[in-house]
Amino acid sequence: QVTLKESGPGILQPSQTLSLTCTFSGFSLSTYGMGVGWIRQPSGKGLEWLANIWWDDDKYYNPSLKNRLTISKDTSNNQAFLKITNVDTADTATYYCARIDTMGITSWFAYWGQGTLVTVSS
Amino acid sequence: DIRMTQSPASLSASLGETVNIECLASEDIYSDLAWYQQKPGKSPQLLIYNANSLQNGVPSRFSGSGSGTQYSLKINSLQSEDVATYFCQQYNNYPWTFGGGTKLELK
Repeated sequence: QVTLKESGPGILQPSQTLSLTCTFSGFSLSTYGMGVGWIRQPSGKGLEWLANIWWDDDKYYNPSLKNRLTISKDTSNNQAFLKITNVDTADTATYYCARIDTMGITSWFAYWGQGTLVTVSS
Repeated sequence: DIRMTQSPASLSASLGETVNIECLASEDIYSDLAWYQQKPGKSPQLLIYNANSLQNGVPSRFSGSGSGTQYSLKINSLQSEDVATYFCQQYNNYPWTFGGGTKLELK
């Protein structure tokens, strides 16, 4: 059974760094073709893809967040991480991690975590 | 970036009715398209991948079709548990992008 669970600080102040953890089970990020992505959703709004990390440590970022994002993984402990630097109120959202399934050269978000709400407020 | 335009933004339908939701990509995405269902207060769940492949465990009343830039999600015989917001997403090119969503309600 595949499960993912996000954890984060809940609330933080503008200009701080947001650190998120995705703890998963039922798969390994060391398996060929496996990946984990991060997606966020402001309350009542749409979904925004943030970053992906792959089994071979390949990484992709949404350029709209420029150089603020860093994605990483700890394969031994079945975790993936996302850091967002210099947050402001526009980063207030529910943050999801999701397992990426692959078939050939195509991939999609097959399993999602429950999400963690992050509020940026002074 | 590839822009994904969903229509309609909201939709009201009766139980048992057939519903169609459209997704238009700003360029050819070669069927690299997924559909997700998000119920109120819950995380998105995968329904369809590669434009027309049904995810394991998803009821067969859901189907996807399309190619090139035009795609659609069809729900046959609408059930009360289908009340949700539906999102399309392309994964042909980075950055991966989502449609704005279609909110489906019961009439």
